[in-house]
Amino acid sequence: SQTIHQWPATLVQPVGSPLSLECTVEGTSNPNLYWYRQAAGRGLQLLFYSVGIGQISSEVPQNLSASRPQDRQFILSSKKLLLSDSGFYLCAWAGLRLGSYEQYFGPGTRLTVT
Amino acid sequence: AQTVTQSQPEMSVQEAETVTLSCTYDTSESDYYLFWYKQPPSRQMILVIRQEAYKQQNATENRFSVNFQKAAKSFSLKISDSQLGDAAMYFCAYRSTGANSKLTFGKGITLSVRP
Repeated sequence: SQTIHQWPATLVQPVGSPLSLECTVEGTSNPNLYWYRQAAGRGLQLLFYSVGIGQISSEVPQNLSASRPQDRQFILSSKKLLLSDSGFYLCAWAGLRLGSYEQYFGPGTRLTVT
Repeated sequence: AQTVTQSQPEMSVQEAETVTLSCTYDTSESDYYLFWYKQPPSRQMILVIRQEAYKQQNATENRFSVNFQKAAKSFSLKISDSQLGDAAMYFCAYRSTGANSKLTFGKGITLSVRP
């Protein structure tokens, strides 16, 4: 069966510090991968998605970036965090399953920028 | 572009009762997928149920069922025999049929369950 991992689970970082969040998927190959952000009590905002190694599409221009160095690894980064980067970050994967590319989510990372 | 609307920000249900969460969407496509996701206090998103637009039969998963009205572009979720563990935020989502299509989410509805 497929599983998706995210780490760290919780992170507190000062403004201006770098960021690296990691997401890995097990049990599948060539998945579509996604990064979302969710502010408290709000809906999900798609940040990046990837359909293959080295292929990244950005949905929202900001100081975040994403990379996919391996087939099942997706990394969200920032060189200098802003207060507005605080939120809950969710990684998701999708693959052809029962005729649909439905998305399955990881446990998320709670980021607080101080 | 497709849009998904969840107009009720909050709902409450008595334990063991039935509740229906509403969702409408707008699209010009004839074939697509619709989903309901649950986000409990742990905040992990859990896929509850999905519906293929080309299927007339409403999807069911145990106590969860949908009322899919394609002409009305309505996709409501019915939770029967509500349990305390059903308390969560619920998101309705739309997806086109292309392999690389993205999910469009509604803003979500917070469901509370009264013991």
